[in-house]
Amino acid sequence: AQTVTQSQPEMSVQEAETVTLSCTYDTSESDYYLFWYKQPPSRQMILVIRQEAYKQQNATENRFSVNFQKAAKSFSLKISDSQLGDAAMYFCAYTGGGADGLTFGKGTHLIIQP
Amino acid sequence: NAGVTQTPKFQVLKTGQSMTLQCAQDMNHEYMSWYRQDPGMGLRLIHYSVGAGITDQGEVPNGYNVSRSTTEDFPLRLLSAAPSQTSVYFCASSRSRGEVYTIYFGEGSWLTVV
Repeated sequence: AQTVTQSQPEMSVQEAETVTLSCTYDTSESDYYLFWYKQPPSRQMILVIRQEAYKQQNATENRFSVNFQKAAKSFSLKISDSQLGDAAMYFCAYTGGGADGLTFGKGTHLIIQP
Repeated sequence: NAGVTQTPKFQVLKTGQSMTLQCAQDMNHEYMSWYRQDPGMGLRLIHYSVGAGITDQGEVPNGYNVSRSTTEDFPLRLLSAAPSQTSVYFCASSRSRGEVYTIYFGEGSWLTVV
């Protein structure tokens, strides 16, 4: 079974600084997808960024980028120029693309200090 | 385009009562799934479906039933509610894997069993 590990239960960063959230996963598959989701207090699941494993280029979405290391099974999220609105829980998730959906990590609580 | 719609958003049940959480999607997605989120945890898969008439169990299926009579709807039934089922429930849908594979979530249903 696939597992996803987020080793940082909580991270704190000053506004406008850069922060990196860590995620490692375990799978025997060669083709899969990785996601980062943001969950504010409303509990809405907001897709931040998606990475297809067959693509070597790291995904980027505005201030959000990933460092995808397939051999190391690592998928970290970098948030540049942190803003107060970035404060939330962040979940790393894995899927093989089948109907059995996503396997989630336990999340990292990101605090933005003004 | 409403996306994934869950009802009700909030519900309080007494132990032993039954209820159905409704989920509907208007994107003609083949795959649908139900997750629960408990404190300090990521989302965990309860049941999923690859299409109308086909369902299967996820990681935590006990105490829940599902059916998929149409492509659009995927209700989750609690047969005899227990306090351990107090949680936030998310419905999700997606197409089968492809270039822009994305999983869409509903806004969540907050269930309290007393």
